[in-house]
Amino acid sequence: AQSVTQLGSHVSVSEGALVLLRCNYSSSVPPYLFWYVQYPNQGLQLLLKYTSAATLVKGINGFEAEFKKSETSFHLTKPSAHMSDAAEYFCAVSGPYGGATNKLIFGTGTLLAVQP
Amino acid sequence: EAGVVQSPRYKIIEKKQPVAFWCNPISGHNTLYWYRQNLGQGPELLIRYENEEAVDDSQLPKDRFSAERLKGVDSTLKIQPAELGDSAVYLCASSPGTGSFSYEQYFGPGTRLTVT
Repeated sequence: AQSVTQLGSHVSVSEGALVLLRCNYSSSVPPYLFWYVQYPNQGLQLLLKYTSAATLVKGINGFEAEFKKSETSFHLTKPSAHMSDAAEYFCAVSGPYGGATNKLIFGTGTLLAVQP
Repeated sequence: EAGVVQSPRYKIIEKKQPVAFWCNPISGHNTLYWYRQNLGQGPELLIRYENEEAVDDSQLPKDRFSAERLKGVDSTLKIQPAELGDSAVYLCASSPGTGSFSYEQYFGPGTRLTVT
């Protein structure tokens, strides 16, 4: 079975500060990992994904995440927060195979607030 | 390229009434997903289609929920009768369905259902 745990349902940072959103996963198979962002009243947009290539993954809007197998983590970071980054962020895990394991399992989300 | 289209965006109904949601995926995407997102939670998969075939409907409450994708393109999700606990955002997503890109799911804006 697969699952993800997002530590911190709410994170607040100042504009220009480092953003760190935490995600830990559990998976019995080599995982594929994703970060999605959801702005108010919108669907989810893919920020970045890890699919067993480079462990440091760069995404859109200056975000990046590092896959650490030893820590079962896939934390999302951005060096300098911008007001437009305020949104809800979801970590998700999937299996690397087709069929029934091609299912995204989402965490409960982290709401990021950016203070001026 | 047009994204995933969903309608209606908002729906308010009384309990025990029927309701239907429509989704048109990105052109050429073979795989279509319906998710339910409860307030403060991540999306949970209800059903996944590969072309016309429902390949994973294990999480669909079949006593009141039904879905169809007759021509392998657009899809309809129905609830009859609706219950108070069905209030949620219903998200549709699509993916190309082949190779590693099949794991990139593109989400529509969702339908926010309120059952009173």
